[in-house]
Amino acid sequence: QSALTQPASVSGSPGQSITISCTGTSSDVGSYDLVSWYQHHPGKAPKLMIYEGSKRPSGVSNRFSGSKSGNTASLTISGLQAEDEADYYCCSYASSSTWVFGGGTKLTVL
Amino acid sequence: EVQLVESGGGLVQPGGSLRLSCAASGFTFSSYWMHWVRQAPGKGLVWVSRINSDGRGTNYADSVKGRFTISRDNAKNTLYLQMNSLRAEDTAVYFCARGQLAAAGGFDYWGQGTLVTVSS
Repeated sequence: QSALTQPASVSGSPGQSITISCTGTSSDVGSYDLVSWYQHHPGKAPKLMIYEGSKRPSGVSNRFSGSKSGNTASLTISGLQAEDEADYYCCSYASSSTWVFGGGTKLTVL
Repeated sequence: EVQLVESGGGLVQPGGSLRLSCAASGFTFSSYWMHWVRQAPGKGLVWVSRINSDGRGTNYADSVKGRFTISRDNAKNTLYLQMNSLRAEDTAVYFCARGQLAAAGGFDYWGQGTLVTVSS
């Protein structure tokens, strides 16, 4: 149950696009199309942004998109806005009804 | 409106016990898997445990296996986490989260969390 690997921080200017990577193994990310992404503003409840790798829940902006290649999943945010500044976490199903999160990425909008 | 409200956190000595609760409303609680996720101070989210919809299936992270017990009361729309033999490293905000109907999917609603501090 080792944590998925995410960059500690990323940054971008308003209007730009950024991508956050999430690297796992063939036992988790690589084995299932079950990666989800969460936006977390400290002190608040985390919010589901992407599920099953690339699907957006109702109400989530289409500026958020997800993809996967091999053992690495990615979250792309286009048209960065100030309110996108938050911590972002990936999570993957990891077999036997267990899940594993990434270490989190702090997004700064410059 | 889906709501999840955690309670029961507080200060406890190492080796002590605590029971967290998560009151659910706004959805058919008995139809969903439920999870506990924690976040230590300054650290990331960590999955802790899950329970299936009828309460008969449970799973745990290795770090809490044998010490924590997840349970639910579908009549009371409440999820629980019994935490025994607590250690300093269990200090964290504990969130309850609803699993998506696709059982192995993500967590679509979260509570605001309750803080557990393990210290002498």
